[in-house]
Amino acid sequence: TQLLEQSPQFLSIQEGENLTVYCNSSSVFSSLQWYRQEPGEGPVLLVTVVTGGEVKKLKRLTFQFGDARKDSSLHITAAQPGDTGLYLCAGEPQTGANNLFFGTGTRLTVIP
Amino acid sequence: DVKVTQSSRYLVKRTGEKVFLECVQDMDHENMFWYRQDPGLGLRLIYFSYDVKMKEKGDIPEGYSVSREKKERFSLILESASTNQTSMYLCASTINLAYEQYFGPGTRLTVT
Repeated sequence: TQLLEQSPQFLSIQEGENLTVYCNSSSVFSSLQWYRQEPGEGPVLLVTVVTGGEVKKLKRLTFQFGDARKDSSLHITAAQPGDTGLYLCAGEPQTGANNLFFGTGTRLTVIP
Repeated sequence: DVKVTQSSRYLVKRTGEKVFLECVQDMDHENMFWYRQDPGLGLRLIYFSYDVKMKEKGDIPEGYSVSREKKERFSLILESASTNQTSMYLCASTINLAYEQYFGPGTRLTVT
């Protein structure tokens, strides 16, 4: 099993604050995906990062893939209540496995 | 609009019962997955299938089996349900591991 640790596990912030979620592993991944899951629903893909050092922006969300492709971060600027949810990272292994490895998850609550 | 559907949103079963969870996708995807989701543990892969009648064990296959008789349908079977199988079960499909996984809404199973 290729472990993906996310931190923090829980995050509760006020509307308008900034935050960063981390996804770390000792394994190298070919690509890394970020999903958001809202209550009562399945996870939905936000972004895929492929190249080491890559930075992708999705409105107020900034995703970065580490240079060594072992870690990633998600930064949210000026968080809004609609950002509330469970954020999951998922890594595509370099070799061997035919499935993604999901992180432990970060539950974000943005208080109005 | 692409869709993954799961047969039940909520299910309550007794210890020792045989339980069937059904998943159907309408995207003609080869790859289908069953995960269980528990707080603090993220998504853990139970089984996956990369073609009709093909299946591979994931990280936690003990106590579960699967069936894929048709491309669009992937079933998860609990032969004899136990209380430690109380969890949220998520089905997903994808055309390729590097691409987005599409998730169903989940089945919250309680075994009493």
